[in-house]
Amino acid sequence: DTEVIQTPKHLVMGMTNKKSLKCEQHMGHRAMYWYKQKAKKPPELMFVYSYEKLSINESVPSRFSPECPNSSLLNLHLHALQPEDSALYLCASSPHLEVVYGYTFGSGTRLTVV
Amino acid sequence: GEDVEQSLFLSVREGDSSVINCTYTDSSSTYLYWYKQEPGAGLQLLTYIFSNMDMKQDQRLTVLLNKKDKHLSLRIADTQTGDSAIYFCAERAAEYGNKLVFGAGTILRVKS
Repeated sequence: DTEVIQTPKHLVMGMTNKKSLKCEQHMGHRAMYWYKQKAKKPPELMFVYSYEKLSINESVPSRFSPECPNSSLLNLHLHALQPEDSALYLCASSPHLEVVYGYTFGSGTRLTVV
Repeated sequence: GEDVEQSLFLSVREGDSSVINCTYTDSSSTYLYWYKQEPGAGLQLLTYIFSNMDMKQDQRLTVLLNKKDKHLSLRIADTQTGDSAIYFCAERAAEYGNKLVFGAGTILRVKS
């Protein structure tokens, strides 16, 4: 299994809703990442987990809350989002933090906040 | 600081070669990558090059690295319509805390 699987593929949520994005990999990778990508822009790093511990938080607002319950799963909990948070949210993984061969990316969750 | 620059758009005819360019600023960058993103999809790693290399070839893809000018290029030979996508270069340097920094992306359009 060489994939990073993200669910759901599309999500529409209201500004008062609470939802979660899920990411799963079974490659034995111990580093996992959340990126946010706006249209026609490069991905921007949000969070990095290494061995299930939060390693990097790129000053992301608290309405985004990451969670890594085990080495295969990464969640992003969403609460009280704003319309400008609408974007493609990408999950990625790598064998460990010392990236050599690049990251494996999932297909992303297209989030629309209304 | 973190700054990876790419030209925004490239249009080529099917069968021609495409050359996508990228410049980076951090001279300590150790690994450089090219990713491809098709519409509505995630990023697919195409190839990578270590900073102690000048060139890497992988089938239709050739990566050239000029460390002196901090210039990276991706050449796609015999470009096909399926190569139409956004291409991102990315650098990984130790001072960035082990994260990838992406360029803005180059939209490649292949005309048949």
